[in-house]
Amino acid sequence: AQSVTQLDSHVSVSEGTPVLLRCNYSSSYSPSLFWYVQHPNKGLQLLLKYTSAATLVKGINGFEAEFKKSETSFHLTKPSAHMSDAAEYFCVVATYGGYNKLIFGAGTRLAVHP
Amino acid sequence: EAGVAQSPRYKIIEKRQSVAFWCNPISGHATLYWYQQILGQGPKLLIQFQNNGVVDDSQLPKDRFSAERLKGVDSTLKIQPAKLEDSAVYLCASSSPGTSASNEKLFFGSGTQLSVL
Repeated sequence: AQSVTQLDSHVSVSEGTPVLLRCNYSSSYSPSLFWYVQHPNKGLQLLLKYTSAATLVKGINGFEAEFKKSETSFHLTKPSAHMSDAAEYFCVVATYGGYNKLIFGAGTRLAVHP
Repeated sequence: EAGVAQSPRYKIIEKRQSVAFWCNPISGHATLYWYQQILGQGPKLLIQFQNNGVVDDSQLPKDRFSAERLKGVDSTLKIQPAKLEDSAVYLCASSSPGTSASNEKLFFGSGTQLSVL
């Protein structure tokens, strides 16, 4: 069965410093992985997705994630945090067996301090 | 393009009462999802429709929850009777089905926040 584990429930950084949100996955075959972001009182929005074409995936707003099969990880990073990055981030694994099913991690709340 | 529309935005009810949520997906999207997001947790899939047929309702508490998508467009999720533990945000999402999971992109509505007292 597929699953994802987000290793930190809360991450706090200062504006302008790097962001690292950690995600490990479990999958019996090559997974499809996503990161979604949820800003307060807004709907979930796709940040980026891993399609197996490249292990380093670039997303919106300067975020990127690297797929590491040997470590079963898909960590989300950004070189320099901005105040507007404060939100909840979800790592997601997808299965496809006739239809797509997305399984969400518990989420990591990112706080950005001035 | 217009996004996924949900209503109401907030709902407060007493336990054992019933409640209904409505979702209108993006035009042309064949797949519609209802997720339950309890505070501090990630969204959990309740039910997934492909057009007006159910493809996954394995995590739907069928003794109290029901959902329909009669014409393959908008959908209604109902809870009857509600319990305290049903307090959550109910998210609707839609997508155009891709040929693989990596092609899938879900568009989410803003959700309905339910409080059961």
